[in-house]
Amino acid sequence: GIQVEQSPPDLILQEGANSTLRCNFSDSVNNLQWFHQNPWGQLINLFYIPSGTKQNGRLSATTVATERYSLLYISSSQTTDSGVYFCAVNTGGFKTIFGAGTRLFVKA
Amino acid sequence: DTGVSQDPRHKITKRGQNVTFRCDPISEHNRLYWYRQTLGQGPEFLTYFQNEAQLEKSRLLSDRFSAERPKGSFSTLEIQRTEQGDSAMYLCASSLPGTDTIYFGEGSWLTVV
Repeated sequence: GIQVEQSPPDLILQEGANSTLRCNFSDSVNNLQWFHQNPWGQLINLFYIPSGTKQNGRLSATTVATERYSLLYISSSQTTDSGVYFCAVNTGGFKTIFGAGTRLFVKA
Repeated sequence: DTGVSQDPRHKITKRGQNVTFRCDPISEHNRLYWYRQTLGQGPEFLTYFQNEAQLEKSRLLSDRFSAERPKGSFSTLEIQRTEQGDSAMYLCASSLPGTDTIYFGEGSWLTVV
């Protein structure tokens, strides 16, 4: 099956810093989503981005489907950005495959 | 739109007991999914319903696990004869037909002692 690899696995930032999270996938995908899981376990959908670039406030994402990777940019990080960021892909059908996540901690 | 609702949020049970989790999807979402997440890992797909029909099941869903969605609205996930390895967070998600964006509930944490 498809493999989804996220890097880095862990990231510590000073508040105000910028960061880039990466997601590599091993096969063609129908769609790709980025999620943020807060410390209480809630998964929030950040972007649905099978290709191209999208921006939402301080967050933006780019997927280059032909090269099988996606990037999530976080600018001017805040402590509330802490949590785990997941990349999730779908290759058709109803199963969405998640990566292992990037654990982000933003220090005040 | 009240979001995906899951109950109970936390459950501690003794090994060998049965447990049942309930999920109420977002209204008008006919697609419903169950996932399992263990510490340090991403969610893993368990099963998928379209309306009341269970269309896909993961190999992770052993014969001790059963999921139902009898009227195409809420769903239940039952685990029989629980084992310590079943300790995890069980996540429910839903989506609208024709869209790929899925919305998750807050999860049900299970601890088997």
